[in-house]
Amino acid sequence: QVVLTQPPSVSGAPGQRVTISCTGSRSKTGAGYNVHWYQQLPGTAPKLLIYDNSNRPSGVPDRFSGSKSGTSASLAITGLQAEDEADYYCQSHDSLSGVVFGGGTKLTVL
Amino acid sequence: EVQLVESGGGLIQPGGSLRLSCAASGFTVSSRYMSWVRQAPGKGLEWVSIIYSGGRTYYADSVKGRFSISRDNSKNTLYLQMNSLRADDTAVYYCARHYASSGYFDSWGQGTLVTVSS
Repeated sequence: QVVLTQPPSVSGAPGQRVTISCTGSRSKTGAGYNVHWYQQLPGTAPKLLIYDNSNRPSGVPDRFSGSKSGTSASLAITGLQAEDEADYYCQSHDSLSGVVFGGGTKLTVL
Repeated sequence: EVQLVESGGGLIQPGGSLRLSCAASGFTVSSRYMSWVRQAPGKGLEWVSIIYSGGRTYYADSVKGRFSISRDNSKNTLYLQMNSLRADDTAVYYCARHYASSGYFDSWGQGTLVTVSS
């Protein structure tokens, strides 16, 4: 099963750009697993931010973007706002064994 | 409108059993992949179990042999039967719907808290 590793925390000032990495343990590159991203505000259920590596659901601001290269994925947030302070999780799915989440990254807006 | 409403959480002693329910509306549970995801206090998200539309099920190693996922098509409800509960099963349990037949979640319930303690 894939193991997804995220940094425990990142921070940035309002208006800045931050990135959150998500590194998979699998060695294969290219086609393979897709990575999805969720935002979780305190006391609430997670909300889908990015699906299939780089796609934004309707209603998600274009300040949020995702990318994937090989076994590493990234979530970028530009024009950081105070309301972006939350926990962010990457997630993947393996049809042979199920779902896996990264450990989560706490974003602090300074 | 898609809605997922969990129930059945509460305080239970170690070794006990509990069944969580997730009542769905706005779609048919049997037509989608459905998962249970939990979050221990102050911790990250942990996937627990999935039931595919065809009925195949998978479990996280941490709950394998103790938990069982199922669904009742007539009630459009997802279940999680939890046996031999341990203190480290204490968490908010969410049910979540997968988008179409894909790996990501497009809808989540509000969660139900399970506390395992004597």
